[in-house]
Amino acid sequence: EAGVAQSPRYKIIEKRQSVAFWCNPISGHATLYWYQQILGQGPKLLIQFQNNGVVDDSQLPKDRFSAERLKGVDSTLKIQPAKLEDSAVYLCASSGPGQGNEAFFGQGTRLTVV
Amino acid sequence: KNQVEQSPQSLIILEGKNCTLQCNYTVSPFSNLRWYKQDTGRGPVSLTIMTFSENTKSNGRYTATLDADTKQSSLHITASQLSDSASYICVAPQGGYNKLIFGAGTRLAVHP
Repeated sequence: EAGVAQSPRYKIIEKRQSVAFWCNPISGHATLYWYQQILGQGPKLLIQFQNNGVVDDSQLPKDRFSAERLKGVDSTLKIQPAKLEDSAVYLCASSGPGQGNEAFFGQGTRLTVV
Repeated sequence: KNQVEQSPQSLIILEGKNCTLQCNYTVSPFSNLRWYKQDTGRGPVSLTIMTFSENTKSNGRYTATLDADTKQSSLHITASQLSDSASYICVAPQGGYNKLIFGAGTRLAVHP
C-alpha cells in the first residue's frame, strides 16, 4: 500500500513570497489533515478535511493560509504572503475506516522563510 | 479543555537501558490513545493504538499501558538501541471526526 505522498520535501523562500505544498493521501482515506510542526514542538492542526469538506480550520491563519481538497482526494496548502514565523515542517496525514482510524503521515515539507 | 501532556520533555539514556515515557490526557469523549515515533526529518509513525478496554499493548521492545481511570498512559522501551533516538508523541483523537490532539512529545536520545 502506497503511503501519504508530499511535495516538495524542502522549500526556501523569502518573506512576503508565496508557496504551495501538495499532498496525495492513501487511496480510499476520506480524512485528510494538514499540520504545522515548529522545531521542538508537537504538530499543530491547521485544517482537517472529510472528503472535500472542511471539518476543522479553527487554527488556520486565514489571512495568509488557504487549503483545498478538490474531488476529495489530493490537497494543496498555500501560504501567501509568507512570514518568518511560518518556518516549520508541514505534515500531511490521512485516515480512513478501519485500523482504529489510524492516521498515516507523509514525510513532510520543510519550509524555511528567510 | 482537550489536551495531552507528556513528560519528560527530553531524556538521555545509555544504549541497552530501559526507559518509560509518560502521557496524561484530558480528551473527551475518549476513544483511543496512540503513540507515535518521529525520527528527525520524517513524519510520525504509529507504534501502538490502545482502546478504552486495553491496559497493555506491546510492539516489539515497545510496551504501552493505559489507565483510563486516571487518564494516564506510558510507553516503556526495553533494551534501548541507538535507533530509538527520536521524538515520541502521544496522541488522542477527539470527537466523531477523529480530530487528533497531540502532545508536545518526548525527545529521547540513546547514547552508546
